[in-house]
Amino acid sequence: DARVTQTPRHKVTEMGQEVTMRCQPILGHNTVFWYRQTMMQGLELLAYFRNRAPLDDSGMPKDRFSAEMPDATLATLKIQPSEPRDSAVYFCASGPRTEERTDTQYFGPGTRLTVL
Amino acid sequence: QKEVEQNSGPLSVPEGAIASLNCTYSDRGSQSFFWYRQYSGKSPELIMSIYSNGDKEDGRFTAQLNKASQYVSLLIRDSQPSDSATYLCAVLTGGGNKLTFGTGTQLKVEL
Repeated sequence: DARVTQTPRHKVTEMGQEVTMRCQPILGHNTVFWYRQTMMQGLELLAYFRNRAPLDDSGMPKDRFSAEMPDATLATLKIQPSEPRDSAVYFCASGPRTEERTDTQYFGPGTRLTVL
Repeated sequence: QKEVEQNSGPLSVPEGAIASLNCTYSDRGSQSFFWYRQYSGKSPELIMSIYSNGDKEDGRFTAQLNKASQYVSLLIRDSQPSDSATYLCAVLTGGGNKLTFGTGTQLKVEL
């Protein structure tokens, strides 16, 4: 049963600390997305990669957020320094590339981040 | 105007009734549309996709798309308490590379 995995599932940290979230996409998927979900804003796209190359990170605050894919089995989202307004659930999703559609996305369980 | 709009609800329907969820979008060039279901505390789960005008049926679910009017809807027949969740409409935008989500409609199916 192929699934997207994310670690950690929960993270509580203090303002100013660095936070790193990790995602393992489904094996064979070549597109990876990072989303943030809050009650107020809903689900927002932060960044996405195709074949490990960043295609769009316009949804991400550049001064403190960074996203990378060091290899095909790992995507990371880093916040440094973290702020209370970063408290949210962060989802990773991956998608396959097919001849017809490259848009189906499968979500991981999310990382619930609380910044005190 | 938001790119994808949904009524936040909650939408309450009795068990066995038809639940109708609606979504409008602003990008006329969008070609792919999706409905995700999200239970409280869980991740979004894809339940339907639709690409052509008209209806697409899958079990108790029917997605309807009208590109001229820029709306997409989801009908759930014979609603069950287990259908109680938030339903997210998503539209492929940005030249076909990005999914933009609505804020979701909360559905409550009452016994």
